[in-house]
Amino acid sequence: QQQVKQSPQSLIVQKGGISIINCAYENTAFDYFPWYQQFPGKGPALLIAIRPDVSEKKEGRFTISFNKSAKQFSLHIMDSQPGDSATYFCAALTQGGSEKLVFGKGTKLTVNP
Amino acid sequence: DAGITQSPRHKVTETGTPVTLRCHQTENHRYMYWYRQDPGHGLRLIHYSYGVKDTDKGEVSDGYSVSRSKTEDFLLTLESATSSQTSVYFCAISATSGRAFWGTDTQYFGPGTRLTVL
Repeated sequence: QQQVKQSPQSLIVQKGGISIINCAYENTAFDYFPWYQQFPGKGPALLIAIRPDVSEKKEGRFTISFNKSAKQFSLHIMDSQPGDSATYFCAALTQGGSEKLVFGKGTKLTVNP
Repeated sequence: DAGITQSPRHKVTETGTPVTLRCHQTENHRYMYWYRQDPGHGLRLIHYSYGVKDTDKGEVSDGYSVSRSKTEDFLLTLESATSSQTSVYFCAISATSGRAFWGTDTQYFGPGTRLTVL
């Protein structure tokens, strides 16, 4: 049972374009939604995160849009650059004493020059 | 970068042999995690620890055991490796539950260990 569904599996965008990655969840107990960026041969690294009382969070060219009623959230990368080429994972945090993240399956983004 | 090292970085072993992967941190963080990453599956939690000698199972714990005798070290053991355990294993650490310092604390990942079981 996949708790966080991520799409698309892969994405090709031209330099300067907008990259959009979508995630959906079912568990209404989730209350923290981070995105991780992973370059080949490296571990994932936190990119940006949002909590459900906020509909949008922006950090530079990266924006998370959150729709609580639809249980969906998305990552938008504006002015995509070849250096943004990486695999992106959405995640959600379960309630409880420890920070147990549940990850989507990932999206491989390729930005062509 | 958070001070996390994993050893070995690469390992090839044979089916049925025991394997131990080590995660070492210099951040004195309370929480430590082991994930496996496989194509088409993303990152899946194997086991985690919320303190010395305090561990619990994650989503895919069958065939794995862990130990944490010191704050800085978290060991993952495959008692009898199988080909289905061929994967990239990541260790992660966090100082607190994400809720306590929301937005400022998160899980930091190590560089990974690529394990091949023949």
